Amino acid sequence: KAGVTQTPRYLIKTRGQQVTLSCSPISGHRSVSWYQQTPGQGLQFLFEYFSETQRNKGNFPGRFSGRQFSNSRSEMNVSTLELGDSALYLCASSLTFDRAASGYTFGSGTRLTVV
Amino acid sequence: GDSVTQMEGPVTLSEEAFLTINCTYTATGYPSLFWYVQYPGEGLQLLLKATKADDKGSNKGFEATYRKETTSFHLEKGSVQVSDSAVYFCALSVISNFGNEKLTFGTGTRLTIIP
Repeated sequence: KAGVTQTPRYLIKTRGQQVTLSCSPISGHRSVSWYQQTPGQGLQFLFEYFSETQRNKGNFPGRFSGRQFSNSRSEMNVSTLELGDSALYLCASSLTFDRAASGYTFGSGTRLTVV
Repeated sequence: GDSVTQMEGPVTLSEEAFLTINCTYTATGYPSLFWYVQYPGEGLQLLLKATKADDKGSNKGFEATYRKETTSFHLEKGSVQVSDSAVYFCALSVISNFGNEKLTFGTGTRLTIIP
């Protein structure tokens, strides 16, 4: 079956702009989580969505937001981009209530560069 | 809060050497434990997992045992190959009282295998 698909793979934006990243989970997976990966901070949890509702949120400023659609696809948005937002953004999907057994399946990520 | 402490890298070994990457954790509940691997330019792939104490996860010659008494989940492989060169992440997940769950990652260990 198809894996987690993230688009685009690479993105270059200018400071102050906004950006939207997309994630399509594995078919049947209803939970989508987002993580930011940087060399300095490592992997940090952004937020999780299930059935179009945000269930959990990490410690990121309000410039970072997300949403989930009825088909479980998710988008995350970053407004007023800063240089420090340059990172690999990873999306992970999972079968809710089965995560301990199946773990999370990650996409290949979107590499965002802010200049 | 929950945390994962992972062996500092980078680690460089010769092909067919024995590998150990140490991982210890702190968690308020009863975590599930994971090892993920990241190849250059890619997202994270689940390598193995363990959901309760004394469970042993294994995959592709890698093994890790969930040790509750020492709060550890060390990754081992008896004979590494060049293709094992990657970054390895130890992670845990705990379901909170509110039913929320997220992955908490270690900082990652870069492994390089020399022919």
